Amino acid sequence: DAGITQSPRHKVTETGTPVTLRCHQTENHRYMYWYRQDPGHGLRLIHYSYGVKDTDKGEVSDGYSVSRSKTEDFLLTLESATSSQTSVYFCAISELNKGWQETQYFGPGTRLLVL
Amino acid sequence: GESVGLHLPTLSVQEGDNSIINCAYSNSASDYFIWYKQESGKGPQFIIDIRSNMDKRQGQRVTVLLNKTVKHLSLQIAATQPGDSAVYFCAENIIGTASKLTFGTGTRLQVTL
Repeated sequence: DAGITQSPRHKVTETGTPVTLRCHQTENHRYMYWYRQDPGHGLRLIHYSYGVKDTDKGEVSDGYSVSRSKTEDFLLTLESATSSQTSVYFCAISELNKGWQETQYFGPGTRLLVL
Repeated sequence: GESVGLHLPTLSVQEGDNSIINCAYSNSASDYFIWYKQESGKGPQFIIDIRSNMDKRQGQRVTVLLNKTVKHLSLQIAATQPGDSAVYFCAENIIGTASKLTFGTGTRLQVTL
């Protein structure tokens, strides 16, 4: 599991409330990612980080923000949750695979339901 | 934009038979491909990868084939076991751009006894 944990694993919240998901890694990886997974779609990148305080937007970043104040933690915040953000959220890290390519490895996921 | 295309069929295979899961990709610039396995309620798990300078790569009971001419890759699982039941999806990338991984939607593999 590449030393990745996500918390909480399940959450139910109401529309309009802020939500923060946490990804924690223990192996000092530089790159971390947040994806969402929905039926009929492949994994879609929300935001990613390439170092402490260095982040960038992905394909579906609207309504989400991230922070990375230390190497091991990457936080995803839904500023004001909407029902369209009901999804399964995966954190990933990447590490060099055989020295030439960054391969991504995933955490166990957080299932979020916005009512 | 370009994306990895993978229809979401359900492939039913008898235990002990070989399984073949297919994936089409559309970005001709992609030069690195990965297969992931995702069991119910879990995160995607890396299975095997292949670079575009290779046509075939083998792992333990799995083989990935790449046909760049028709932009197609496949995952072959030998002697399929009940534990192989999962959703399998491919992903494409350009070497050196870790953030640009693009995923297909997946194929569900059901192993019957």
